[in-house]
Amino acid sequence: DVKVTQSSRYLVKRTGEKVFLECVQDMDHENMFWYRQDPGLGLRLIYFSYDVKMKEKGDIPEGYSVSREKKERFSLILESASTNQTSMYLCASSLTSGRNQPQHFGDGTRLSIL
Amino acid sequence: KNEVEQSPQNLTAQEGEFITINCSYSVGISALHWLQQHPGGGIVSLFMLSSGKKKHGRLIATINIQEKHSSLHITASHPRDSAVYICAASIIQGAQKLVFGQGTRLTINP
Repeated sequence: DVKVTQSSRYLVKRTGEKVFLECVQDMDHENMFWYRQDPGLGLRLIYFSYDVKMKEKGDIPEGYSVSREKKERFSLILESASTNQTSMYLCASSLTSGRNQPQHFGDGTRLSIL
Repeated sequence: KNEVEQSPQNLTAQEGEFITINCSYSVGISALHWLQQHPGGGIVSLFMLSSGKKKHGRLIATINIQEKHSSLHITASHPRDSAVYICAASIIQGAQKLVFGQGTRLTINP
């Protein structure tokens, strides 16, 4: 089975801090995704990556950046955390592009910015 | 209006009941996904389908491309089926980006 591991289940940070959320997948998947999930808004795509060092903006990239230096790891960075970034963050991966694939999700990180 | 709409938003039923969750979409799609999210956050992919019907255990997913509609059915529902069920559409073949519905919160009472 595919395993997508997010580094923390719960995280509390302060306004203005630089925050790193890490995601690792163990099945050599090409595609990786970062989402945030908020009540009433559902899942929204922040950034995704089709390959190492490749990244593309999703629907809500403002205030975030990403890094993919190795195929198995996709990091989400909050450059200067703000209270409106308090949310559940979910990482996902899928095998390849070019044909439809299911996405495999991590357990999520519930991030609180105080 | 969202491109992917689910109904109902909340559903409470008794153990053993037959459950139906609906998903309608307003754009052309290449595939429709059904996901399950249990309390605590983790999301599991249940089905990915582009035509017809798929079955896994007590879960059945159907799609009608002409009507732009999909349904998720649960037979002989059980309290462990309590979760949020999310449908999501692949808009472009192979592009991997998904458009998500708002989710349906299902509660099965014993």
